[in-house]
Amino acid sequence: DAGITQSPRHKVTETGTPVTLRCHQTENHRYMYWYRQDPGHGLRLIHYSYGVKDTDKGEVSDGYSVSRSKTEDFLLTLESATSSQTSVYFCAILSRDDEQYFGPGTRLTVT
Amino acid sequence: AQSVTQLDSQVPVFEEAPVELRCNYSSSVSVYLFWYVQYPNQGLQLLLKYLSGSTLVESINGFEAEFNKSQTSFHLRKPSVHISDTAEYFCAVSGRGNQFYFGTGTSLTVIP
Repeated sequence: DAGITQSPRHKVTETGTPVTLRCHQTENHRYMYWYRQDPGHGLRLIHYSYGVKDTDKGEVSDGYSVSRSKTEDFLLTLESATSSQTSVYFCAILSRDDEQYFGPGTRLTVT
Repeated sequence: AQSVTQLDSQVPVFEEAPVELRCNYSSSVSVYLFWYVQYPNQGLQLLLKYLSGSTLVESINGFEAEFNKSQTSFHLRKPSVHISDTAEYFCAVSGRGNQFYFGTGTSLTVIP
């Protein structure tokens, strides 16, 4: 357990509404990541952060934005949710031993 | 860039039988390799890793994986599986650039 929490754990929202998912860590790790998990695709990187206010895009970043104003929090925002963004979202941190540890996930349904 | 291929999307195996889950990767740089396990409705847990040193690495619950540089593989094996090993298994590669690339996963089902 690397002290990672995600909120909310489940969310149902309507197409076109904004949604923000939160990842919180308690161990001051520099790197944080957002992935989405879909059947047949495994985990795909959306965005990652390498420090406060330092972020970069992953392979599926379109339609998503992120912010990191504090070391412990990494926010993922869907500006205008679409049905294709229905997925399970996982946050992860990079430990000092170069291992990734994952949060429990957020199941998002866009209707 | 790196990529990971898990050729077997589903692997059924009888309890107490051996199993091998295959993972191949491509990379132009030296890599770190990982296996993660995901139980139903849970997040991913690190099962084992190769960073350097001995090419054979083991987990605490009897799994092992061998890094084969010439074949660019990191197959996961267990000599005798249990019902509790039923889960999704993901292979991942990191090119020391702090980005991880995951395979599409292998669903292991242990049959009583």
